[in-house]
Amino acid sequence: AQKVTQAQTEISVVEKEDVTLDCVYETRDTTYYLFWYKQPPSGELVFLIRRNSFDEQNEISGRYSWNFQKSTSSFNFTITASQVVDSAVYFCALSTGANSKLTFGKGITLSVRP
Amino acid sequence: DGGITQSPKYLFRKEGQNVTLSCEQNLNHDAMYWYRQDPGQGLRLIYYSQIVNDFQKGDIAEGYSVSREKKESFPLTVTSAQKNPTAFYLCASSAMWGMDEQYFGPGTRLTVT
Repeated sequence: AQKVTQAQTEISVVEKEDVTLDCVYETRDTTYYLFWYKQPPSGELVFLIRRNSFDEQNEISGRYSWNFQKSTSSFNFTITASQVVDSAVYFCALSTGANSKLTFGKGITLSVRP
Repeated sequence: DGGITQSPKYLFRKEGQNVTLSCEQNLNHDAMYWYRQDPGQGLRLIYYSQIVNDFQKGDIAEGYSVSREKKESFPLTVTSAQKNPTAFYLCASSAMWGMDEQYFGPGTRLTVT
């Protein structure tokens, strides 16, 4: 069975603060993909990143960065110098070789205050 | 502009009525998906289709039905058998079934009273 845990449910920060969203996953498969999606108040999920299990290199895209650590089964997401537009629900998701369906965590609601 | 469209954005129905939610994509994707989202919950998979004329039940298919007669269209019918149909419904597609990233439509918020 596969599982994604996002232990933080709500986070509130002031603009320009850095914030890290945690994601812990469980799978017995050696081949899998991890994803992050953003859901702004409009409701549509926006794809942010996909990372495969064989690539532990961290990734940076502008103010966004992701830290993948197989040793702790974690795929954390950091927003540097947060902005009000970053306010959204963020979902981490997992897809494995044996079961290609996406399993989502319950999401983290991020509020960035001016 | 390539993307996924869902209509309508808001839908209201009386209990006991079937209702069909529309999902269209012009991304030329083979795979399409329907998810249900309830407040404070992640997304749960209702049905998916790996290719045209084929579809499979997801984790919570009871009370729902789908068809995939055209590559670009994957309508979802919420039947009167669905015990708790009020929810936010999201359609998605991916280039291929498997571990490709999925792209989502804007969603339909269904309220049944």
